Amino acid sequence: AQTVTQSQPEMSVQEAETVTLSCTYDTSESDYYLFWYKQPPSRQMILVIRQEAYKQQNATENRFSVNFQKAAKSFSLKISDSQLGDAAMYFCAYRSQGGYQKVTFGIGTKLQVIP
Amino acid sequence: EAGVAQSPRYKIIEKRQSVAFWCNPISGHATLYWYQQILGQGPKLLIQFQNNGVVDDSQLPKDRFSAERLKGVDSTLKIQPAKLEDSAVYLCASSWEGTGGETDTQYFGPGTRLTVL
Repeated sequence: AQTVTQSQPEMSVQEAETVTLSCTYDTSESDYYLFWYKQPPSRQMILVIRQEAYKQQNATENRFSVNFQKAAKSFSLKISDSQLGDAAMYFCAYRSQGGYQKVTFGIGTKLQVIP
Repeated sequence: EAGVAQSPRYKIIEKRQSVAFWCNPISGHATLYWYQQILGQGPKLLIQFQNNGVVDDSQLPKDRFSAERLKGVDSTLKIQPAKLEDSAVYLCASSWEGTGGETDTQYFGPGTRLTVL
């Protein structure tokens, strides 16, 4: 079974600075998807960024980018120019490519943005 | 495009009572998921539907939890009888399964916060 590990329960960053959230996963599959989701205090979970394992190029969405290291099974999220609205829980998730494509979530990292 | 709808947003019940949650996925999304999110934890998949068929319910406590997705559209999750440890947020999500585009992205509803006293 796949597992997703987020080793940073809480992180803080100064407004306008850069922060990196860590995620590692364990799998025997070669093809899969990885996601970062954001969950603000209102609890609506929204997608931040996704990465297909077969793509070597790291995904980027505006101020959000990932560092995908397939061999190391590492998938970190970098937030540049942090804003107050970035404060939330961030969940790393893994999705199988085959079968019924089950999704496994990490336990999350709480990000605090300091004005 | 309308998002995933869930109701109610909040529910407080006493242990041993019954409760039901409703979810309406994004139009055209064939796959529907129910997650349980206990405070301080990540979402745990309870059940996954593909159209109106169940593809994964391995973590659903079947002695008290049940779910259905009649006609392959909206879905209901029921707990009967509820226990204290069922206090959590119940999230519904849906995704479109096809070729190309954002085929593997789940879109989440706002969740239902359940408190069992």
